[in-house]
Amino acid sequence: DTGVSQNPRHKITKRGQNVTFRCDPISEHNRLYWYRQTLGQGPEFLTYFQNEAQLEKSRLLSDRFSAERPKGSFSTLEIQRTEQGDSAMYLCAGGLGETQYFGPGTRLLVL
Amino acid sequence: AQTVTQSQPEMSVQEAETVTLSCTYDTSESDYYLFWYKQPPSRQMILVIRQEAYKQQNATENRFSVNFQKAAKSFSLKISDSQLGDAAMYFCAYRSPRGAGGTSYGKLTFGQGTILTVHP
Repeated sequence: DTGVSQNPRHKITKRGQNVTFRCDPISEHNRLYWYRQTLGQGPEFLTYFQNEAQLEKSRLLSDRFSAERPKGSFSTLEIQRTEQGDSAMYLCAGGLGETQYFGPGTRLLVL
Repeated sequence: AQTVTQSQPEMSVQEAETVTLSCTYDTSESDYYLFWYKQPPSRQMILVIRQEAYKQQNATENRFSVNFQKAAKSFSLKISDSQLGDAAMYFCAYRSPRGAGGTSYGKLTFGQGTILTVHP
């Protein structure tokens, strides 16, 4: 167990709806990363937080995506106006030293 | 941009035998980190082993060891005495030492993964 939790674990939504995912790292994780993983592929970087500051965003993170980390603790990832192409596993990782520790992920299915 | 390539989509091994998973990467950096992560079906991604590029000595963790060839940009994982619980998707990952603006952010770049099957 890495100590990183994510909720919900599964989400089914209809195209056009908004969804929000939550990640709770352990308190020592001052760095927090979001990744997206499609079936049979490796995770791809989405965005990075150092404490509460969002310091890097991937080109994969379109305008429909927004992430926050208020108070440098938990983080949320929101997708507005979901599209079928957003169907994927969304992974959160807490950074400790040089290593990242992953949560179990939220699997999103957009119908 | 860094790229990571795992050329073996699938590998299989008999229980108690040894298997080696391959990984190559491309970077212009001299200082970086490499990782192997294990992702069992429908379960959490778990760190298996990591290697610092400035260290010449290959990392080992119990039955897991790496063969790090910096000049060749190769980073293979050897699993000895394979167990049924080793069955999973294995990902090789490169830790970028620098992000936008030259600050170290440490995002990971992953390979495509290798599915390891362990036969009893």
